[in-house]
Amino acid sequence: AQSVAQPEDQVNVAEGNPLTVKCTYSVSGNPYLFWYVQYPNRGLQFLLKYITGDNLVKGSYGFEAEFNKSQTSFHLKKPSALVSDSALYFCAVRWGRGNKLTFGTGTQLKVEL
Amino acid sequence: DGGITQSPKYLFRKEGQNVTLSCEQNLNHDAMYWYRQDPGQGLRLIYYSQIVNDFQKGDIAEGYSVSREKKESFPLTVTSAQKNPTAFYLCASSIAGGPSETQYFGPGTRLLVL
Repeated sequence: AQSVAQPEDQVNVAEGNPLTVKCTYSVSGNPYLFWYVQYPNRGLQFLLKYITGDNLVKGSYGFEAEFNKSQTSFHLKKPSALVSDSALYFCAVRWGRGNKLTFGTGTQLKVEL
Repeated sequence: DGGITQSPKYLFRKEGQNVTLSCEQNLNHDAMYWYRQDPGQGLRLIYYSQIVNDFQKGDIAEGYSVSREKKESFPLTVTSAQKNPTAFYLCASSIAGGPSETQYFGPGTRLLVL
């Protein structure tokens, strides 16, 4: 069965510092990996996805993520955090012909001045 | 959230009552999905539909029903059989149902029990 883990419930970072939100996955085969962001009482916004090819994926709002097959990870990164990046971030995985998008439990990012 | 609308934003259900959540998309997407979000948990799939007049159960379909009579609409009914309906409900759509395709989400409906 496919699964995804976000080991940190909350990440705190100072504005201007780099941020990392961690995600690891478990699938039998090649994964399709996604990152979404959710602001309070809003739907999820798509940030980026990894399908195949270059392991470094660039997405919206200056975010990027690195696919690491040996470590089965897909960590979300941003070189310089903004207070407006404070939100709930979800990693999700899909594989093969399956239609199910499996979500992690989410990581609350708090960026402080 | 553009292209996918959900209504109402808040919905209150009385005991024993069925309620219907609306989801409409103007993206010409074939596939549509319903998820439930509870605090501290990821999203869980309730139902999905890859084409008009066809839909499949997700992980937590008990107590819910759907229909897909039109491509742009995928309403979700929360029946009285769903004993713990309080949650944030999210509708999503994708071009088709393939595993590499991005799902785009609506703004959500928060369901509360009176």
